[in-house]
Amino acid sequence: KNEVEQSPQNLTAQEGEFITINCSYSVGISALHWLQQHPGGGIVSLFMLSSGKKKHGRLIATINIQEKHSSLHITASHPRDSAVYICAVNTGNQFYFGTGTSLTVIP
Amino acid sequence: KAGVTQTPRYLIKTRGQQVTLSCSPISGHRSVSWYQQTPGQGLQFLFEYFSETQRNKGNFPGRFSGRQFSNSRSEMNVSTLELGDSALYLCASSWDRGTGTQYFGPGTRLTVL
Repeated sequence: KNEVEQSPQNLTAQEGEFITINCSYSVGISALHWLQQHPGGGIVSLFMLSSGKKKHGRLIATINIQEKHSSLHITASHPRDSAVYICAVNTGNQFYFGTGTSLTVIP
Repeated sequence: KAGVTQTPRYLIKTRGQQVTLSCSPISGHRSVSWYQQTPGQGLQFLFEYFSETQRNKGNFPGRFSGRQFSNSRSEMNVSTLELGDSALYLCASSWDRGTGTQYFGPGTRLTVL
């Protein structure tokens, strides 16, 4: 049983496309994180959400606590957005991670 | 402000040995969490330390342990290494527990032969 499910697992987009990555979770959470991991392993925290919506540049993250669902949107995608995007939830006692969405943006 | 640093970056050990990994958090951050990442299992939570106390622990055997010092630097130790312990070990620091944004280090890649 996976506490966090992400979709799609793999995503290929043309430069400029609007991208959506979805995350569903089955546990009660104190916060949800969206992480970005580039080849080589480095992880960057993009967003931390406990409610509503956050925007940073071309990235938008939303969360619906009642539906236990979050989405990460990338507007006007660019090849430098190519990375693995990971959804993680903090229950207060544990962190659970999705398996990640591998995004490739083609010029 | 310097980021999270981890040492060593790469490590090769043999089965049965033990290993200690080090993590220096961002200055002022009091919470340090450790994670294991493998191709098969993805990212998994190991433990969290805050103010020198282990606050939370993931589902890992007792061979995995850690500690945090008064300057917030943290170490994790794995004893009696197994082949399956080969992984990227990441630490992350945050100002506070729970809902604090986490800042990840570059990781230590451990290979067990």
